[in-house]
Amino acid sequence: DGGITQSPKYLFRKEGQNVTLSCEQNLNHDAMYWYRQDPGQGLRLIYYSQIVNDFQKGDIAEGYSVSREKKESFPLTVTSAQKNPTAFYLCASNPGRGLAKNIQYFGAGTRLSVL
Amino acid sequence: QKEVEQDPGPLSVPEGAIVSLNCTYSNSAFQYFMWYRQYSRKGPELLMYTYSSGNKEDGRFTAQVDKSSKYISLFIRDSQPSDSATYLCAMSAGSNDYKLSFGAGTTVTVRA
Repeated sequence: DGGITQSPKYLFRKEGQNVTLSCEQNLNHDAMYWYRQDPGQGLRLIYYSQIVNDFQKGDIAEGYSVSREKKESFPLTVTSAQKNPTAFYLCASNPGRGLAKNIQYFGAGTRLSVL
Repeated sequence: QKEVEQDPGPLSVPEGAIVSLNCTYSNSAFQYFMWYRQYSRKGPELLMYTYSSGNKEDGRFTAQVDKSSKYISLFIRDSQPSDSATYLCAMSAGSNDYKLSFGAGTTVTVRA
């Protein structure tokens, strides 16, 4: 099945710990995105990448880091510098071409909580 | 002021009613408009995708875009309990980074 796979579904972070959220897609999409969703605030863009080995900060990049070593993978690390990491994290990808070039497709999300 | 405004609700309707959702926006460069449906603890899934002004219908769903008023709407006819979800509007100016601006989402409950 083609799609976007996020893992784990639930993640717990201890104070001072870095944690990494996985996002894998087999849609052959060039662009990938990470969002944070908090109740009543909609989706806020953390980082995005349009091509391998390149990525840009979104609106709330502080305390987060990413890498894009492969087209299929775009992991997000929530560092200890992120003081309020409890949220629902969503990964998305975009074909970047054709009639649907502006549509983003989402994974099922990872819920991160602080212990 | 947010770039995209969406009433968070919640909205509760009886089964069979018409659900009316809307978003307003301030960026006149937006030309691609989307509605996503998000069930609790799941990722958003695309419902409707429209370009520029006009109407688009897909089954029980109708999307309307009025660029002159910077206003978009989603109507759900003959609503079902399975339509209970959060509905997010999203829009894009069509720039090369394909970034989207999202509304906060409206939570809808359809009562059986």
